[in-house]
Amino acid sequence: DVKVTQSSRYLVKRTGEKVFLECVQDMDHENMFWYRQDPGLGLRLIYFSYDVKMKEKGDIPEGYSVSREKKERFSLILESASTNQTSMYLCASSPTGYQPQHFGDGTRLSIL
Amino acid sequence: AQKITQTQPGMFVQEKEAVTLDCTYDTSDPSYGLFWYKQPSSGEMIFLIYQGSYDQQNATEGRYSLNFQKARKSANLVISASQLGDSAMYFCAMREGSGGSYIPTFGRGTSLIVHP
Repeated sequence: DVKVTQSSRYLVKRTGEKVFLECVQDMDHENMFWYRQDPGLGLRLIYFSYDVKMKEKGDIPEGYSVSREKKERFSLILESASTNQTSMYLCASSPTGYQPQHFGDGTRLSIL
Repeated sequence: AQKITQTQPGMFVQEKEAVTLDCTYDTSDPSYGLFWYKQPSSGEMIFLIYQGSYDQQNATEGRYSLNFQKARKSANLVISASQLGDSAMYFCAMREGSGGSYIPTFGRGTSLIVHP
């Protein structure tokens, strides 16, 4: 079974802090994704990566950056956390093409 | 314009009855894939079923089936014999092949509550 592991299930940080969310997958998938999920808005794509060291902006990249130094790991960075970044963050991975995504359990991030 | 539209924010169904969750999509790409995911209150997203744009038959996976009407651009999820554990958010998604990006697009979801 594919396993996508997010480093924290719950996280509380303060405004202005630099926040790192880590995601690791164990199935050698080329594609990895970061989403944020807010009630009534569904999943919105922040960034995705289709290969090591490759990244593309999604729909809402402002205030975020990403890093993919190794194929299995995709990190989301909040450069200077703000209260409007309080949300549920979901990481996913998939092979290229018309394949389903496999999701981690999500990180509920609160910025105080 | 939204590429995936789920018009039902919330649905209620009696246990053991069938329920249909609506999904319409918008694409000019002849090649695409359609997906349904389930998200229980615990938060994890679970893949349920897949339909390819060139598939002639409607996809089925156990109690889940996908009613694919290509001309209408609809891909409704049918859950037969609902169970209490089916209570969750359900998301419809699409991956298009244009440009080779295959970036998934999600609808806003439908909350399903199954009553005993």
